[in-house]
Amino acid sequence: QVQLQESGPGLVKPSETLSLTCDVSAYSISGGFYWGWIRQPPGKGLEWIATIYQSGSTYYNPSLESRVTILADTSKKQFSLRLSSVTAADTAVYYCARAQRWGGGLYGYYFDYWGQGTLVTVSS
Amino acid sequence: DIQMTQSPSTLSASIGDRVTITCRASQDISRWLAWYQQKPGNAPKFLIYKASTLQSGVPSRFSGSGSGTEFTLTISSLQPDDFATYYCQHYDSYFPVTFGGGTRVEIK
Repeated sequence: QVQLQESGPGLVKPSETLSLTCDVSAYSISGGFYWGWIRQPPGKGLEWIATIYQSGSTYYNPSLESRVTILADTSKKQFSLRLSSVTAADTAVYYCARAQRWGGGLYGYYFDYWGQGTLVTVSS
Repeated sequence: DIQMTQSPSTLSASIGDRVTITCRASQDISRWLAWYQQKPGNAPKFLIYKASTLQSGVPSRFSGSGSGTEFTLTISSLQPDDFATYYCQHYDSYFPVTFGGGTRVEIK
């Protein structure tokens, strides 16, 4: 069964760039699935950030698109998230997940396997 | 963006109760709806897709229904393991993915 594990700094200073990596085991990320990032501020709901297909097609939440980059390294079986110019509003648990794609547009995915999540706090 | 509104935000119930959670979309999403269960400190667990199709391994006491703008998640007989927060999520492919605000199911 596919397993995902997030890693990265737990503390990032305001205005800096948040960088996280998701390691995928028991499945090749160059297979037929999409891979994504979702976040959850403490005590709040879920927000989709970005999705990637293999090492190519990327899809971003328009509300975050100007600050977000998602990349995949199929040889290392990992994909990553970079979020620039962070503020306290970016403090959240960040989850990586496998996405199942549906439909002909840009955004049709649900998330069937999730990592355990990693808390990132933005503070000086 | 499509807004997803869940009700109630909190639900108090007893073991064995039938529980229904409602999710409304701000526009027609056909049946492009998923449900998740989240327990404190854990990642969401995927339950249902296409409004009513159970993910493999999900107990049959869970069921989903609806289409268009109104959807429900029903637990036919609430079990101790079911106390959690539930989220709906649309995946209409022409609009960014959004989640509902969550419904917390607590012990009465």
